[in-house]
Amino acid sequence: AIQMTQSPSSLSASVGDRVIITCRASQGIRNDLGWYQQKPGKAPRLLIYAASSLHTGVPSRFSGSGSGTDFTLTISSLQPEDFATYYCLQDYDYPRTFGRGTKVEIK
Amino acid sequence: EVQVVESGGGLVQPGGSLRLSCAASGFTSSSYWMTWVRQAPGKGLEWVANINQDGTEKHFLDSVKGRFTISRDNAKNSLYLQMNSLRAEDTAVYFCARDQDIVVVTAHHDAFDVWGPGTMVTVSS
Repeated sequence: AIQMTQSPSSLSASVGDRVIITCRASQGIRNDLGWYQQKPGKAPRLLIYAASSLHTGVPSRFSGSGSGTDFTLTISSLQPEDFATYYCLQDYDYPRTFGRGTKVEIK
Repeated sequence: EVQVVESGGGLVQPGGSLRLSCAASGFTSSSYWMTWVRQAPGKGLEWVANINQDGTEKHFLDSVKGRFTISRDNAKNSLYLQMNSLRAEDTAVYFCARDQDIVVVTAHHDAFDVWGPGTMVTVSS
């Protein structure tokens, strides 16, 4: 199975900060990657698909980039509602695999 | 309102069986791939299985192959996960999700855009 290595596992940031989360695949996955946000006790929410396409209704401060093995999720100006855990997910091959998550906490 | 809602979770002994259901409303589920994702307590997300629109193509996580079955009843707008030979490590919240299967140029991309609130499965004696 393709391994997805996310970093960092957690970070502390302030409102207004620029936040970058990275995800590395154990093999090339083209741009077959999505990003999801999850808040405690809630279902995940789709942010990005195809590595860089913003899902409908997702604020433009979220952006994704990358191709092959290295990907990033950027939050350009962190807002209070963005404190959550973020996961990458590869959809290049089966079984689909998630990264272990990045918890974004308030500094 | 477009939504999916899971049901059928509960407490089951190791080696037991459970059938989860996912009821879709506000959209025609027969037009979409559907997926199960789980999350063990305090842990990350884990993809479990998916099924295509007419039920002819299915994929599973290696650790559930031969134990879990995924199916759907499009007439009832419903998705199912039959779980047999349950183990303690299957304990998790199970989420059902709609897969938009978005085509960008010629490539298909998963996009789990509608999720249910989840149903808890606890495997314990």
